[in-house]
Amino acid sequence: AQSVTQLDSHVSVSEGTPVLLRCNYSSSYSPSLFWYVQHPNKGLQLLLKYTSAATLVKGINGFEAEFKKSETSFHLTKPSAHMSDAAEYFCVVSYNFNKFYFGSGTKLNVKP
Amino acid sequence: GAVVSQHPSWVICKSGTSVKIECRSLDFQATTMFWYRQFPKQSLMLMATSNEGSKATYEQGVEKDKFLINHASLTLSTLTVTSAHPEDSSFYICSANPDYLTYEQYFGPGTRLTVT
Repeated sequence: AQSVTQLDSHVSVSEGTPVLLRCNYSSSYSPSLFWYVQHPNKGLQLLLKYTSAATLVKGINGFEAEFKKSETSFHLTKPSAHMSDAAEYFCVVSYNFNKFYFGSGTKLNVKP
Repeated sequence: GAVVSQHPSWVICKSGTSVKIECRSLDFQATTMFWYRQFPKQSLMLMATSNEGSKATYEQGVEKDKFLINHASLTLSTLTVTSAHPEDSSFYICSANPDYLTYEQYFGPGTRLTVT
Protein backbone atom coordinates (compact mmCIF):
# COMPACT_ATOMS: atom_id res chain seq x y z
CA ALA A 1 0.00 0.00 0.00
CA GLN A 2 1.12 3.50 -0.57
CA SER A 3 0.11 6.77 0.98
CA VAL A 4 1.27 10.29 1.40
CA THR A 5 1.09 12.44 4.53
CA GLN A 6 1.22 16.18 4.65
CA LEU A 7 2.09 17.02 8.20
CA ASP A 8 0.67 20.54 8.34
CA SER A 9 -2.84 21.47 7.28
CA HIS A 10 -2.03 25.20 7.53
CA VAL A 11 1.24 27.09 7.28
CA SER A 12 1.52 30.83 7.74
CA VAL A 13 4.64 32.82 6.82
CA SER A 14 5.50 36.45 6.31
CA GLU A 15 6.28 37.74 2.85
CA GLY A 16 9.98 37.41 2.13
CA THR A 17 10.59 34.59 4.61
CA PRO A 18 11.27 30.95 3.73
CA VAL A 19 8.54 28.43 3.07
CA LEU A 20 8.65 24.77 4.16
CA LEU A 21 5.76 22.43 3.39
CA ARG A 22 6.31 18.91 4.64
CA CYS A 23 5.43 15.67 2.93
CA ASN A 24 6.18 12.08 3.87
CA TYR A 25 5.32 9.03 1.82
CA SER A 26 5.07 5.34 2.32
CA SER A 27 5.46 3.06 -0.63
CA SER A 28 6.49 -0.47 -1.27
CA TYR A 29 8.04 0.60 -4.55
CA SER A 30 10.22 3.41 -5.78
CA PRO A 31 7.76 6.24 -5.97
CA SER A 32 7.27 9.15 -8.25
CA LEU A 33 6.44 12.26 -6.29
CA PHE A 34 4.82 15.50 -7.30
CA TRP A 35 3.80 18.80 -5.80
CA TYR A 36 0.72 20.56 -7.17
CA VAL A 37 -0.69 23.96 -6.28
CA GLN A 38 -4.36 24.89 -6.34
CA HIS A 39 -5.31 28.55 -6.25
CA PRO A 40 -8.90 29.43 -5.33
CA ASN A 41 -11.31 28.66 -8.15
CA LYS A 42 -8.49 27.49 -10.40
CA GLY A 43 -7.27 24.12 -11.60
CA LEU A 44 -4.33 22.19 -10.26
CA GLN A 45 -0.93 23.28 -11.50
CA LEU A 46 2.19 21.13 -11.41
CA LEU A 47 5.01 22.75 -9.44
CA LEU A 48 7.61 20.01 -9.75
CA LYS A 49 8.11 16.28 -9.97
CA TYR A 50 10.58 13.60 -8.93
CA THR A 51 10.83 10.54 -11.15
CA SER A 52 14.06 8.82 -10.01
CA ALA A 53 16.50 11.27 -11.53
CA ALA A 54 18.20 14.01 -9.47
CA THR A 55 17.04 14.03 -5.85
CA LEU A 56 16.93 17.83 -5.67
CA VAL A 57 14.17 18.96 -7.97
CA LYS A 58 13.65 22.54 -9.04
CA GLY A 59 10.20 23.67 -10.06
CA ILE A 60 8.38 26.75 -11.18
CA ASN A 61 8.10 30.02 -9.26
CA GLY A 62 11.26 29.38 -7.24
CA PHE A 63 10.03 26.23 -5.51
CA GLU A 64 12.18 23.17 -5.03
CA ALA A 65 11.93 19.85 -3.25
CA GLU A 66 14.40 17.21 -2.15
CA PHE A 67 13.71 13.50 -2.30
CA LYS A 68 15.18 11.83 0.79
CA LYS A 69 14.75 8.10 0.64
CA SER A 70 16.17 7.50 4.13
CA GLU A 71 13.56 9.83 5.59
CA THR A 72 10.81 8.96 3.09
CA SER A 73 10.28 12.67 2.65
CA PHE A 74 9.73 15.10 -0.20
CA HIS A 75 9.44 18.50 1.46
CA LEU A 76 8.70 21.59 -0.61
CA THR A 77 10.71 24.75 0.00
CA LYS A 78 11.06 28.26 -1.29
CA PRO A 79 13.64 30.77 -0.02
CA SER A 80 11.37 33.80 -0.04
CA ALA A 81 7.59 33.78 -0.03
CA HIS A 82 5.50 36.08 -2.21
CA MET A 83 1.92 37.09 -1.62
CA SER A 84 1.00 35.28 -4.82
CA ASP A 85 2.17 31.99 -3.27
CA ALA A 86 -0.89 31.89 -1.00
CA ALA A 87 -2.76 28.77 -2.12
CA GLU A 88 -3.29 25.13 -1.27
CA TYR A 89 -0.46 22.71 -1.97
CA PHE A 90 -0.80 19.00 -2.54
CA CYS A 91 1.89 16.36 -2.35
CA VAL A 92 1.14 13.44 -4.66
CA VAL A 93 2.63 9.97 -4.89
CA SER A 94 2.47 7.53 -7.74
CA TYR A 95 4.37 4.29 -8.16
CA ASN A 96 3.39 3.37 -11.69
CA PHE A 97 2.75 6.76 -13.26
CA ASN A 98 -0.84 5.71 -13.50
CA LYS A 99 -2.75 6.34 -10.32
CA PHE A 100 -2.05 9.47 -8.36
CA TYR A 101 -2.68 9.56 -4.62
CA PHE A 102 -3.06 12.97 -3.05
CA GLY A 103 -2.04 14.12 0.39
CA SER A 104 -4.54 16.00 2.49
CA GLY A 105 -3.18 19.38 1.40
CA THR A 106 -1.48 22.30 3.11
CA LYS A 107 -2.98 25.73 2.97
CA LEU A 108 -0.24 28.37 2.74
CA ASN A 109 -1.03 31.82 4.04
CA VAL A 110 1.41 34.65 3.30
CA LYS A 111 1.22 37.70 5.52
CA PRO A 112 2.30 41.11 4.26
CA GLY B 1 -0.03 22.62 -24.75
CA ALA B 2 -1.55 19.75 -22.74
CA VAL B 3 -4.81 21.43 -21.84
CA VAL B 4 -7.73 19.61 -20.26
CA SER B 5 -11.19 21.14 -20.20
CA GLN B 6 -14.33 20.23 -18.29
CA HIS B 7 -17.93 21.04 -19.00
CA PRO B 8 -19.92 22.32 -17.28
CA SER B 9 -17.86 24.23 -14.75
CA TRP B 10 -20.83 24.47 -12.41
CA VAL B 11 -24.14 22.65 -12.31
CA ILE B 12 -27.12 22.58 -9.98
CA CYS B 13 -29.59 19.73 -10.24
CA LYS B 14 -32.53 18.37 -8.32
CA SER B 15 -32.33 15.26 -6.23
CA GLY B 16 -33.09 12.15 -8.28
CA THR B 17 -31.91 13.50 -11.59
CA SER B 18 -28.75 12.54 -13.48
CA VAL B 19 -25.91 14.84 -14.43
CA LYS B 20 -23.24 14.32 -17.08
CA ILE B 21 -19.80 15.93 -16.81
CA GLU B 22 -17.44 15.99 -19.78
CA CYS B 23 -13.66 15.91 -19.70
CA ARG B 24 -11.75 16.70 -22.87
CA SER B 25 -8.06 16.73 -23.74
CA LEU B 26 -7.87 19.64 -26.14
CA ASP B 27 -4.48 19.22 -27.78
CA PHE B 28 -3.38 15.67 -27.08
CA GLN B 29 -4.67 12.14 -27.12
CA ALA B 30 -5.27 10.38 -23.84
CA THR B 31 -5.88 6.68 -23.66
CA THR B 32 -6.29 7.04 -19.93
CA MET B 33 -8.16 9.66 -17.96
CA PHE B 34 -8.89 9.88 -14.27
CA TRP B 35 -11.79 11.15 -12.22
CA TYR B 36 -11.36 12.66 -8.77
CA ARG B 37 -13.72 14.01 -6.17
CA GLN B 38 -12.87 16.84 -3.81
CA PHE B 39 -15.06 17.70 -0.83
CA PRO B 40 -14.87 21.24 0.57
CA LYS B 41 -11.55 21.93 2.25
CA GLN B 42 -10.42 18.36 1.63
CA SER B 43 -8.03 16.61 -0.66
CA LEU B 44 -8.70 14.93 -3.97
CA MET B 45 -9.88 11.35 -3.87
CA LEU B 46 -9.33 9.17 -6.91
CA MET B 47 -12.66 7.70 -7.99
CA ALA B 48 -11.86 5.79 -11.13
CA THR B 49 -9.55 5.29 -14.06
CA SER B 50 -11.21 5.77 -17.42
CA ASN B 51 -9.82 3.68 -20.27
CA GLU B 52 -10.62 4.39 -23.90
CA GLY B 53 -12.51 1.55 -25.45
CA SER B 54 -12.90 -0.48 -22.27
CA LYS B 55 -14.57 -0.41 -18.90
CA ALA B 56 -13.48 2.01 -16.23
CA THR B 57 -11.62 0.78 -13.18
CA TYR B 58 -13.19 2.00 -9.96
CA GLU B 59 -11.45 2.56 -6.65
CA GLN B 60 -12.64 0.67 -3.63
CA GLY B 61 -15.80 2.13 -2.17
CA VAL B 62 -16.90 3.96 -5.33
CA GLU B 63 -20.25 2.78 -6.67
CA LYS B 64 -19.88 2.00 -10.35
CA ASP B 65 -23.63 2.08 -10.94
CA LYS B 66 -23.81 5.49 -9.33
CA PHE B 67 -20.92 7.04 -11.21
CA LEU B 68 -21.01 5.91 -14.82
CA ILE B 69 -17.87 6.55 -16.83
CA ASN B 70 -17.63 6.38 -20.60
CA HIS B 71 -14.39 6.97 -22.48
CA ALA B 72 -15.77 7.18 -25.99
CA SER B 73 -12.75 8.57 -27.78
CA LEU B 74 -9.11 9.39 -27.21
CA THR B 75 -10.03 12.95 -26.23
CA LEU B 76 -13.28 12.58 -24.30
CA SER B 77 -14.35 10.93 -21.07
CA THR B 78 -17.70 11.50 -19.40
CA LEU B 79 -18.82 10.99 -15.82
CA THR B 80 -22.55 10.63 -15.20
CA VAL B 81 -23.81 10.94 -11.66
CA THR B 82 -27.02 8.95 -11.70
CA SER B 83 -29.96 9.60 -9.40
CA ALA B 84 -28.04 12.35 -7.68
CA HIS B 85 -28.54 13.08 -4.01
CA PRO B 86 -27.36 16.02 -1.89
CA GLU B 87 -24.46 13.96 -0.56
CA ASP B 88 -23.14 13.75 -4.14
CA SER B 89 -22.57 17.50 -4.08
CA SER B 90 -18.87 17.95 -4.56
CA PHE B 91 -16.13 19.24 -6.83
CA TYR B 92 -15.32 16.73 -9.58
CA ILE B 93 -11.96 16.97 -11.29
CA CYS B 94 -10.63 14.99 -14.21
CA SER B 95 -7.08 14.51 -15.39
CA ALA B 96 -5.43 12.96 -18.41
CA ASN B 97 -2.15 11.30 -19.27
CA PRO B 98 -0.86 12.33 -22.66
CA ASP B 99 -0.05 9.12 -24.46
CA TYR B 100 3.42 10.43 -25.25
CA LEU B 101 4.15 11.43 -21.63
CA THR B 102 3.15 8.69 -19.29
CA TYR B 103 4.54 10.13 -16.07
CA GLU B 104 2.52 13.29 -15.96
CA GLN B 105 -1.13 14.11 -15.52
CA TYR B 106 -2.84 17.30 -16.61
CA PHE B 107 -5.84 18.38 -14.62
CA GLY B 108 -9.06 19.96 -15.73
CA PRO B 109 -10.43 23.03 -13.92
CA GLY B 110 -13.11 21.00 -12.17
CA THR B 111 -16.91 20.89 -12.09
CA ARG B 112 -18.84 21.96 -9.03
CA LEU B 113 -21.99 19.89 -8.60
CA THR B 114 -24.71 21.01 -6.22
CA VAL B 115 -27.68 18.70 -5.70
CA THR B 116 -30.72 20.30 -4.11
